[in-house]
Amino acid sequence: DTEVTQTPKHLVMGMTNKKSLKCEQHMGHRAMYWYKQKAKKPPELMFVYSYEKLSINESVPSRFSPECPNSSLLNLHLHALQPEDSALYLCASSQDWEDTQYFGPGTRLTVL
Amino acid sequence: AQSVTQLDSQVPVFEEAPVELRCNYSSSVSVYLFWYVQYPNQGLQLLLKYLSGSTLVKGINGFEAEFNKSQTSFHLRKPSVHISDTAEYFCAVKGTSYGKLTFGQGTILTVHP
Repeated sequence: DTEVTQTPKHLVMGMTNKKSLKCEQHMGHRAMYWYKQKAKKPPELMFVYSYEKLSINESVPSRFSPECPNSSLLNLHLHALQPEDSALYLCASSQDWEDTQYFGPGTRLTVL
Repeated sequence: AQSVTQLDSQVPVFEEAPVELRCNYSSSVSVYLFWYVQYPNQGLQLLLKYLSGSTLVKGINGFEAEFNKSQTSFHLRKPSVHISDTAEYFCAVKGTSYGKLTFGQGTILTVHP
């Protein structure tokens, strides 16, 4: 089973809202990732968690705040986003951060 | 540092025809190579991967790819495509000792009846 789940599937928010994206995996993977994918572009890495600790932050603005409450869960807290932050947000996981990454279906975010 | 170049942004093909999607990479270290497929409004699904061993790798849905170290290529092939293969395909590279996955710009494969 290589399933990564993400909720919600779609999210529309205003620039003053606070919302969260959720990602879950039950494969026992110890590395989890957030990617951002703009239309007609490849995914771009945002954050990497390894063994529940943030190991990579690709210079992401502070209005994006990741959280890894346990080894199966990864959240992305959103606050004061801009319209240009509208994108597909993908979560991925891997056994270890050197291993093959498996992606979830994504959350389509629209910021008004 | 590593990079990936997908040589074709769009590939139109007729159903049951063969197809090749081209991928070249650049890296100063040993790499792992991947092909992912993305159907409209969906996440990325792993098609196949090269980690080591045989340079011909078979994946899901009848796809295969060949790792060519001298030409730094990892082209994806399918002998006979179906309408359902219409999607965007991403080639990706990762250093064997470094976790960051670097994607190419993607190739949109459109299969016509």
